[in-house]
Amino acid sequence: QQPVQSPQAVILREGEDAVINCSSSKALYSVHWYRQKHGEAPVFLMILLKGGEQKGHEKISASFNEKKQQSSLYLTASQLSYSGTYFCGTGNSGSARQLTFGSGTQLTVLP
Amino acid sequence: DAGVIQSPRHEVTEMGQEVTLRCKPISGHNSLFWYRQTMMRGLELLIYFNNNVPIDDSGMPEDRFSAKMPNASFSTLKIQPSEPRDSAVYFCASSRTDSGANVLTFGAGSRLTVL
Repeated sequence: QQPVQSPQAVILREGEDAVINCSSSKALYSVHWYRQKHGEAPVFLMILLKGGEQKGHEKISASFNEKKQQSSLYLTASQLSYSGTYFCGTGNSGSARQLTFGSGTQLTVLP
Repeated sequence: DAGVIQSPRHEVTEMGQEVTLRCKPISGHNSLFWYRQTMMRGLELLIYFNNNVPIDDSGMPEDRFSAKMPNASFSTLKIQPSEPRDSAVYFCASSRTDSGANVLTFGAGSRLTVL
């Protein structure tokens, strides 16, 4: 079953923060986050495994709450280059073989 | 590393024609995935191969779709006959499944338009 992402779209100014949420109705082992720019392929950002860990990539970090079956992606001090569609992929193992992707969150950063 | 290479990048064809999409995975990656992306359905997994063997093709829409991986460096996705509802961007992705929490590297995609 497809994870639910929220919000569907967000517009913010350069330097502002944003949070993108991903929730699943199924028990999760892993959450993958990808970013896709218009007309390009999705690009891997980070993976989180069960244990409630947080990870960071530049000024982008994420958390994973396995009990709530949720993950959140935090974008701090957004840059123009952060614009794109963010997808979470959820799985019941660390493997990419069993990923189910959410419908995406379109993020637009304005100058 | 050239990444995952897909061809063609764009394909426009008429309903009923055969379409073949091609993919070259990253050398050393032992899993290959075909995804379809549309506005309505998002990213859908069609089929994946592990060590050139199809493992799960439950996402393949119907018998008109077929995929092969004759060797570790080449895969094809074929649609015959094509229909307008097959119009989408088709992504190929590869990964290494022996590296713990493996991740996907996507190709640039093949945009298919069926008239």
